[in-house]
Amino acid sequence: DAMVIQNPRYQVTQFGKPVTLSCSQTLNHNVMYWYQQKSSQAPKLLFHYYDKDFNNEADTPDNFQSRRPNTSFCFLDIRSPGLGDAAMYLCATSRVAAWGQKGDTEAFFGQGTRLTVV
Amino acid sequence: AQSVTQLGSHVSVSEGALVLLRCNYSSSVPPYLFWYVQYPNQGLQLLLKYTTGATLVKGINGFEAEFKKSETSFHLTKPSAHMSDAAEYFCAVSDLGGYNKLIFGAGTRLAVHP
Repeated sequence: DAMVIQNPRYQVTQFGKPVTLSCSQTLNHNVMYWYQQKSSQAPKLLFHYYDKDFNNEADTPDNFQSRRPNTSFCFLDIRSPGLGDAAMYLCATSRVAAWGQKGDTEAFFGQGTRLTVV
Repeated sequence: AQSVTQLGSHVSVSEGALVLLRCNYSSSVPPYLFWYVQYPNQGLQLLLKYTTGATLVKGINGFEAEFKKSETSFHLTKPSAHMSDAAEYFCAVSDLGGYNKLIFGAGTRLAVHP
């Protein structure tokens, strides 16, 4: 039944060692998002893909990159993780109205990946 | 710019008591509003949403919220708290850009005690 699946649920990485988090969806939604949620804080949008179009938030650090090879998968790459990047990373999807297709108004979230940097 | 303010970072209620979590928003146009719940080390689950139409919306697990334009509020309520309601609750507004991007409030942690 899982619709937005994030792997792994828990990830430990070394300071400065590149790490990749993955997200897949079975909803066939055209938009995928990555949110960062630091401890006791609200989720904050890093970027989103509308189909294959990548959209970065203005204040997202260059250390964060993303790839979406197809509709179902999206990856978050952290090139050189610092201690301040330890957080829960949430993937979400949504269906935005496109040519000839009705959209929706809500986002569906995965279970998140808790990243620890040591 | 849009924003969301949640009054009270921590709310504690007795089991069976009324739950009231407060949310105020700022938006230049009629907003889409959402309440999400997050259990420890879990993702976000949608409780309910307001887009258009009826201002009192009902969600899952007995929660409801009322959109009040004059007060720019979207408070979440539940008549009788259950122990399983203990969680973090986030109010959010949908960004005006049209891609369903969410702007979240800081969250309210609800504790339910026997």
